Parts: sequence; structure tokens; C-alpha cells
Amino acid sequence: NAGVTQTPKFRVLKTGQSMTLLCAQDMNHEYMYWYRQDPGMGLRLIHYSVGEGTTAKGEVPDGYNVSRLKKQNFLLGLESAAPSQTSVYFCASSQPQGSRQFFGPGTRLTVL
Amino acid sequence: EDQVTQSPEALRLQEGESSSLNCSYTVSGLRGLFWYRQDPGKGPEFLFTLYSAGEEKEKERLKATLTKKESFLHITAPKPEDSATYLCAVYNAGNNRKLIWGLGTSLAVNP
Repeated sequence: NAGVTQTPKFRVLKTGQSMTLLCAQDMNHEYMYWYRQDPGMGLRLIHYSVGEGTTAKGEVPDGYNVSRLKKQNFLLGLESAAPSQTSVYFCASSQPQGSRQFFGPGTRLTVL
Repeated sequence: EDQVTQSPEALRLQEGESSSLNCSYTVSGLRGLFWYRQDPGKGPEFLFTLYSAGEEKEKERLKATLTKKESFLHITAPKPEDSATYLCAVYNAGNNRKLIWGLGTSLAVNP
């Protein structure tokens, strides 16, 4: 039982490049979330999903897209990376909305 | 406006020196308050959920309590391995239905 896993752990991009972050969970959770964590800003919700095939915007969705084609996977895409997207990205999952969230180990992204 | 404020921002204790971390909140419809621990370079790890005023939960040296306006995380006789950032989050079941996070308290316990 791996819980929530994230790929990759680290990545460096140049401005304008694109990339996809992968999140996988093996707990059969319905809800999945993407957060970014920046110093002094705390955890901020980017996008979330309440089930397979659904996605919704969080607090800071601009510049990101997501997809949830399979229940266990939640992908976060950056189409044209900007330095402002330098951050640590966390994926999380939960059962009913409002219950405890399980977090992955994070992806540290640097955009030059 | 829904808000979660944690204090202090940082706390340094000697091993064995008990203290408390505070999480005050203003939300329109509280449906749960969560405490997490986050070690450097790792994701947040769940500690407790509290649902109603007066509720208390304990785990080893940690005890979480909840009132109508705030929650405390009491740390009794801390050890260096308790050093981490402690995050508080509140679930707002009102119109927004979202988890509102505090900025955390960075705790350092010196041996």
C-alpha cells in the first residue's frame, strides 16, 4: 500500500516549456487535489476532482490544467511554464469531501 | 472572510519544555478542524481531526483541543524528533465547501 505517489520528485524547466506532473493513489479515494506550497503563502489549492472524469478549479488555477481519466490518477499540466510557477507541488486524496486528506511526497519545480 | 491564523510563526523549545500552538479560525460553517505535521521536504502528515467544541484528542506527546473560535495543540515534554512545521486547516461546509489552511508553526526542539 503505497498511499499517494508523485512523479517526478524534482524538475527544472525553462520559461515556456511544458510538463505534466503525475499523481497516483491506491486507496480507492474519490477526491483528489493539487496544491502548491510557497514560503509565506501556505498551501493553496490549484485544482481538484470529485471523481473519475471530473475536475474543478481551486484558488489559483491560472496557468494549469488537470485531467482525471482514471480514478487512481490525477495529472497536473503546465502548458507554458513561468518563473511564478516555481514552487513545491503536492497531490492529496480523500474519501468524502471534508474528511482527512492524504498527501504525496511533493514535486519541487523550478522554472528558470 | 473565512480565515485560519496560526501562532506563533516559529517556536523554539528545550527538550522537555511543554508548550502550546494556537490555531484561531473564522468560518461560516465549521465541519472539522485538522492538524497536520510537515517535516522538511515531505508532504503533510495527518495528526488529528476535531469536530465540535470541547472535543480533545491525544497521540503520544500531542494533545489537540477545540473551542468555538480556536484550537490548541499542546506538546508535553517534547523531544527533538517533534521538530517540524505544524499545520492547521478548517473545513468550511458553507457555500464554498473548501479546506482553509493556516500558514503553520515551525517548531524546533533543542536537545
